[in-house]
Formats: sequence, structure tokens, C-alpha cells
Amino acid sequence: GAVVSQHPSRVICKSGTSVKIECRSLDFQATTMFWYRQFPKQSLMLMATSNEGSKATYEQGVEKDKFLINHASLTLSTLTVTSAHPEDSSFYICSASQGGLREGYTFGSGTRLTVV
Amino acid sequence: QKEVEQDPGPLSVPEGAIVSLNCTYSNSAFQYFMWYRQYSRKGPELLMYTYSSGNKEDGRFTAQVDKSSKYISLFIRDSQPSDSATYLCALASGGSYIPTFGRGTSLIVHP
Repeated sequence: GAVVSQHPSRVICKSGTSVKIECRSLDFQATTMFWYRQFPKQSLMLMATSNEGSKATYEQGVEKDKFLINHASLTLSTLTVTSAHPEDSSFYICSASQGGLREGYTFGSGTRLTVV
Repeated sequence: QKEVEQDPGPLSVPEGAIVSLNCTYSNSAFQYFMWYRQYSRKGPELLMYTYSSGNKEDGRFTAQVDKSSKYISLFIRDSQPSDSATYLCALASGGSYIPTFGRGTSLIVHP
């Protein structure tokens, strides 16, 4: 089945620094990937839709200058949290679909970001 | 009112019990209904997919959709400790195809 690899799984960084999270589709090409944020016991909140070769589409309320998304190839999308602050601490998950809703969106294992 | 409402639980049941998990929604445009299972510190994985009203069965799992009531359910028969996880409902419309997730229900099946 489709596999999405996400790295790192856990990262601790100092306030003010930037963190890059990678999302790779290992055995399929993904023209579109999605980035979510999940707080404890809360729903997955879609942050942005990452489109290969073009600008990402951000959801309302998500700062595009803070959460930089790059989708340079059909198998790799990156999310960079710039000038991270403690309130950015969360669980970030990417996903991609090989065949649409019926086959399901394949999710990465997520990245636990802690900003200290 | 949120588009998708789901009780976060936790729901604790003994092994072998029948589990009922539910979501309600307000957007009548939703046509695609899914259930995802998420283990701790992992990404969600697709469990069930249904389109339109009715029932769909897959092993111990049954998904039920009632579009007239805007209510969807997931039933788990003969629950096992390995079923302990968070179950998220996800709904999508034909116009978007990007699912909207419920907040998830934490299920604990104890031996």
C-alpha cells in the first residue's frame, strides 16, 4: 500500500529558531499533499494544501510567512516553521492521496514539535 | 456550531463488547463518509469508506450513514484490546474532496 514517510518524528527547538519537517511519498507520486496540525484531544486541523510546482494554498488564519511550504518534487513536501514560539508546539501531520477518498489519504507518522 | 461533532470520550469498554462510535454533522453537502483509526503518536489510517446512506460491513467493523439525520456511526463487534485507539470520522463533499475531520473519540478496550 501507499506509504508516506515523515521526518523528524520529534523535535525540540529553541524559541526563535526555524524547524523543517519533511514529508515523502515513498511508492507513489503525489501532486498534492496536505499539512495538518493536531492539538491534544483535538481534531486534525488542515493548515495548507501543498501543490507540486506551485504555491501552497493556506487555510484561513494560517500565516503563510510563518509556515513555509515547499513542494519541489512529486514525492517531497516540506513544512518550515519559522521563528518558532512555544505556542507553535503541536503535532504536525502530512498526508497524501494516491487515489482519492476511496483509497484514503495516507498519513505520515507525524512530528511532535516542542518549542522551549 | 462545528461542521462535524464527535464526543472525545474516553469510552472504556470490556473486551468482547460491542462499541458504537458516532458523529453528527451540519453540512448537507457531505457525500463521502470515512472512519480513520489513530494510535498514539501515529498518523491516522483509513478504516472504512462509505458513499451515501446505508450500511457497510468489513469484518468486525460496520459503518452506518443516515444522511436524513446527518448522523454516522461505526460499530465494532467483539472488541479487542488492540482496538484501543482514537477513532476519527471524516466527511467530504463532492466539491472539495478534502475531508473535514471530527475531533476523534478515544476508545479503551480493557482485558
